[in-house]
Amino acid sequence: AQSVTQLDSHVSVSEGTPVLLRCNYSSSYSPSLFWYVQHPNKGLQLLLKYTSAATLVKGINGFEAEFKKSETSFHLTKPSAHMSDAAEYFCVVSATNDMRFGAGTRLTVKP
Amino acid sequence: GAVVSQHPSRVICKSGTSVKIECRSLDFQATTMFWYRQFPKQSLMLMATSNEGSKATYEQGVEKDKFLINHASLTLSTLTVTSAHPEDSSFYICSAPRRDSYEQYFGPGTRLTVT
Repeated sequence: AQSVTQLDSHVSVSEGTPVLLRCNYSSSYSPSLFWYVQHPNKGLQLLLKYTSAATLVKGINGFEAEFKKSETSFHLTKPSAHMSDAAEYFCVVSATNDMRFGAGTRLTVKP
Repeated sequence: GAVVSQHPSRVICKSGTSVKIECRSLDFQATTMFWYRQFPKQSLMLMATSNEGSKATYEQGVEKDKFLINHASLTLSTLTVTSAHPEDSSFYICSAPRRDSYEQYFGPGTRLTVT
């Protein structure tokens, strides 16, 4: 069994400041972990993925995430937020083709 | 990258009618596809796993007689919402994994509105 907890339902930052979206996971296997972004009325877009290689994963649009097994965390970060980053972000855990989504974190970026 | 399409992107139907949604993997074969639904401002909830050539596996609480799934070929899965009601209005999303990848490829979604 596996599950994902996104610790914040809503995060608000000012443009140009760092972004931190927190994710903790639980899995009976060695999971793969993903972050997806969903803009309003759009489909899901993969930001980055961890699949047991390097623990620091770089994704698109300046996002990165660090896999910390001891903390069972996979937090998403970006050094400087842009207005276009405003969206819903989902942390996802996957093992043996069983994919589970977190509840999502809505990121708001203030000018 | 791999592409998964869904058709239609939007559909409005009357209560009591049935609606079919198609999910296609355009450049790879998928023996398994997944169907999710997403209510406004909520996360994706897995409804069922579609298996090519065999019966779909439904998640707990999902009515298999209401949400009929057919995976007739290695590139096509269909979800039919039978006798639709307004509470079935939602965003339905499919995904398919490539055999050589951990990654799921998501369709753009279908917004169903039942009036």
